[in-house]
Amino acid sequence: GQQVMQIPQYQHVQEGEDFTTYCNSSTTLSNIQWYKQRPGGHPVFLIQLVKSGEVKKQKRLTFQFGEAKKNSSLHITATQTTDVGTYFCAVSGSARQLTFGSGTQLTVLP
Amino acid sequence: DAGVIQSPRHEVTEMGQEVTLRCKPISGHNSLFWYRQTMMRGLELLIYFNNNVPIDDSGMPEDRFSAKMPNASFSTLKIQPSEPRDSAVYFCASSWTRTGHNEKLFFGSGTQLSVL
Repeated sequence: GQQVMQIPQYQHVQEGEDFTTYCNSSTTLSNIQWYKQRPGGHPVFLIQLVKSGEVKKQKRLTFQFGEAKKNSSLHITATQTTDVGTYFCAVSGSARQLTFGSGTQLTVLP
Repeated sequence: DAGVIQSPRHEVTEMGQEVTLRCKPISGHNSLFWYRQTMMRGLELLIYFNNNVPIDDSGMPEDRFSAKMPNASFSTLKIQPSEPRDSAVYFCASSWTRTGHNEKLFFGSGTQLSVL
């Protein structure tokens, strides 16, 4: 299936600091999705990016899709304790199956 | 809508026993996915059904694992015989997939499986 590398694996920030996680692929992606999983919970869909260079915002979250459609990022401005969790990117294979990145586990220190 | 429903929430069994995990997707969704999550391997896709037909089962670890989707509202994942290395959280997810489009996945709460 489609492979995607996600970095960093872990990130600890002080509340109020910014946070960014990145996903990189060696091949061109048709689209990319982002999910958040709270500790002990299940992944919850955040957004899907489809167009080259696309930027979408959800309150303090900014999602970007690279011009070459080979990378994507999720940036959180001024983190809050409610942002704690693991953030995953997910990419689709030829049969529309979704493969998830390894995730970035975010810890926000109060 | 009740969302994707998985049962049981927790399963503790002994090595060698048969384990059956169950999933009821969201009504109207035509795609169903089984994922396994562990610390070491992350979220792995085991099998993907579209319109009740298995499309990609390349992630199924070995012959001990089998999955069925007898109708649009029910799927099972069976492990026989179970082994300690099968211990993980198993998620079922469903979506509405159109030709050429990926739609968002809705995940169930998962089954925490412990094989002793």
